[in-house]
Amino acid sequence: DAGVIQSPRHEVTEMGQEVTLRCKPISGHDYLFWYRQTMMRGLELLIYFNNNVPIDDSGMPEDRFSAKMPNASFSTLKIQPSEPRDSAVYFCASRGLADPYEQYFGPGTRLTVT
Amino acid sequence: GNSVTQMEGPVTLSEEAFLTINCTYTATGYPSLFWYVQYPGEGLQLLLKATKADDKGSNKGFEATYRKETTSFHLEKGSVQVSDSAVYFCALTNNAGNNRKLIWGLGTSLAVNP
Repeated sequence: DAGVIQSPRHEVTEMGQEVTLRCKPISGHDYLFWYRQTMMRGLELLIYFNNNVPIDDSGMPEDRFSAKMPNASFSTLKIQPSEPRDSAVYFCASRGLADPYEQYFGPGTRLTVT
Repeated sequence: GNSVTQMEGPVTLSEEAFLTINCTYTATGYPSLFWYVQYPGEGLQLLLKATKADDKGSNKGFEATYRKETTSFHLEKGSVQVSDSAVYFCALTNNAGNNRKLIWGLGTSLAVNP
């Protein structure tokens, strides 16, 4: 298995632009998580899905952030408009029924908003 | 509520030194406990876990024992290597109900010098 795939790996954009981050979970996994990692706040859970349905989005910072999972093999996290304080590494992780405890992380997308 | 507290880093050790990274938790019910590791430029990966009191998780020479009486899950390794340089995250999931999201510590950076 290729593991969790994220794209792009690096994104540099100007304040006010729309940013879309993409994630392909491991095939067969039914949970998908979006995290943000910064030096100041550490690892934060933004939102997670179960069977493509959003379960908990209480970590989404504000209305500028939105996430979708149109099918079991694809999810997006969109920021519109982006701000410099959104600069962070964004991770996607997935989890399956075979092991309900282990989350498998993608390599992350490093976002820089100038 | 549920929370995880781990010792602040960075921790700097010489090769073959003994490692301890402290982790304590607050949780309702009977949580499962985890250590995840993040190597430079990568996503997090599960290092070890313990799902009930007095369990010992172990992997790659690392160990941690679930101590309910002290609400602790300290990570130890008898002889660290340069390749162990990474950030280590303690986490818990509360097994109550269907909410299986992970509660994360802030991470402890470890640097091992040759």
